[in-house]
Amino acid sequence: SQQGEEDPQALSIQEGENATMNCSYKTSINNLQWYRQNSGRGLVHLILIRSNEREKHSGRLRVTLDTSKKSSSLLITASRAADTASYFCASVNTGGFKTIFGAGTRLFVKA
Amino acid sequence: DVKVTQSSRYLVKRTGEKVFLECVQDMDHENMFWYRQDPGLGLRLIYFSYDVKMKEKGDIPEGYSVSREKKERFSLILESASTNQTSMYLCASTSGQNYGYTFGSGTRLTVV
Repeated sequence: SQQGEEDPQALSIQEGENATMNCSYKTSINNLQWYRQNSGRGLVHLILIRSNEREKHSGRLRVTLDTSKKSSSLLITASRAADTASYFCASVNTGGFKTIFGAGTRLFVKA
Repeated sequence: DVKVTQSSRYLVKRTGEKVFLECVQDMDHENMFWYRQDPGLGLRLIYFSYDVKMKEKGDIPEGYSVSREKKERFSLILESASTNQTSMYLCASTSGQNYGYTFGSGTRLTVV
């Protein structure tokens, strides 16, 4: 089945710059989650935003959700080299326990 | 520190072998999942389980089976390994759909 989609597929920025990643999904959701994956490791949960929320913050992370456009964005402010990783969105559908992961955005932060 | 532990980080098996991937969580979660991850395809759900002895097929169950005899343990079985099952396998658990998943570190399986 088709997964959610992230944009861009890859992003390269300098340390200190902000990084923005976008995610689109196809169905009605209960919530949307963002995860981070360091090379060759498991995914780590970053933040969850519920369908009735529009914006959420956690440290240097800011997530927005637009249910009318079926899209979300993840902003990482003041990026560090240690933020280099792949970032995935996961949409959790209503009406059942169905979570769809996107293919991910690879972020590279240059020191 | 809560944890999902996968028994092997790297595994090399021969075509036709029966392969067991083990996953154990210490968070008393009801829900456990097996995903495979391939470049460009993201995570695809193989099987999941809501409770002990309960299992549901995900998007790509063919060639796989699972076992959940105890709440903390969810095993993925490749009945007869094939080269197209070479992949990264990720186990995850969660207490419910309003919570994030906790993932294991993954098992990179190579079938030769």
